[in-house]
Amino acid sequence: GENVEQHPSTLSVQEGDSAVIKCTYSDSASNYFPWYKQELGKRPQLIIDIRSNVGEKKDQRIAVTLNKTAKHFSLHITETQPEDSAVYFCATPGAGSYQLTFGKGTKLSVIP
Amino acid sequence: DAGVIQSPRHEVTEMGQEVTLRCKPISGHDYLFWYRQTMMRGLELLIYFNNNVPIDDSGMPEDRFSAKMPNASFSTLKIQPSEPRDSAVYFCASSSSYEQYFGPGTRLTVT
Repeated sequence: GENVEQHPSTLSVQEGDSAVIKCTYSDSASNYFPWYKQELGKRPQLIIDIRSNVGEKKDQRIAVTLNKTAKHFSLHITETQPEDSAVYFCATPGAGSYQLTFGKGTKLSVIP
Repeated sequence: DAGVIQSPRHEVTEMGQEVTLRCKPISGHDYLFWYRQTMMRGLELLIYFNNNVPIDDSGMPEDRFSAKMPNASFSTLKIQPSEPRDSAVYFCASSSSYEQYFGPGTRLTVT
C-alpha cells in the first residue's frame, strides 16, 4: 500500500514568518495530493490540493508544490498568523483508489 | 447542505458494553470512510464503502469492530465488547471523488 512520511512533526514559527511542511510518498502512480488542517477539537478540513499535472498551486497565503520525480510535495504558509496554529496533514491515494493514506501530522504553532 | 453528520458527539461507556456510532454522509456522495484518531497512532482508516458496499476493511482492528451501511444515507460502526484501548475520536468522512469531507467526530471514552 501507499506509504506517506511527513516532516517535521512539530514546527514553531514567529508570527509573520513562513512555514514549510514536507511529505514524501511511495506510489509513483499517485495523482492527487491534498492538505488538511485540523484545529484543536475540530475535524480535519481540506485547505488546498494539487493534481499530478500541476507543479504548484496557490491560494492566498498557502501554496502546495509537487515534485513527482522525487515523490514529495510541500505545504507553504507565508505571513503566518496565530490562527494558522493547528495540526496539518498531508495525504495521497494509492493508484486506482479514492482511499487516502494520511501522514502523521505536523503541529504548527505560530507565536505572536 | 448540512455536511457529514455524526452521532453521538461524545460517548462514555464502561468496558464490556456495546457502542454504536452513527454517520450520515453528504447527499450524493457514494464513498464513506470511517477513521479512528489517537495521539499515538494518528489518523487511521478503519473501513470504507462504495455504493453501500464495504471495499476495504483491513484497518478494522479486530472482530470486536463491525461496520454497516444499509443505505446511501446511513452507516454505523459498532464495537462489542468495548475496551479502554478503544478510547479515541472516530471520524466519518464522505466523498464523490478524491476530496473527502469529515464529520465532527465522536469522542469515545471507555472506562
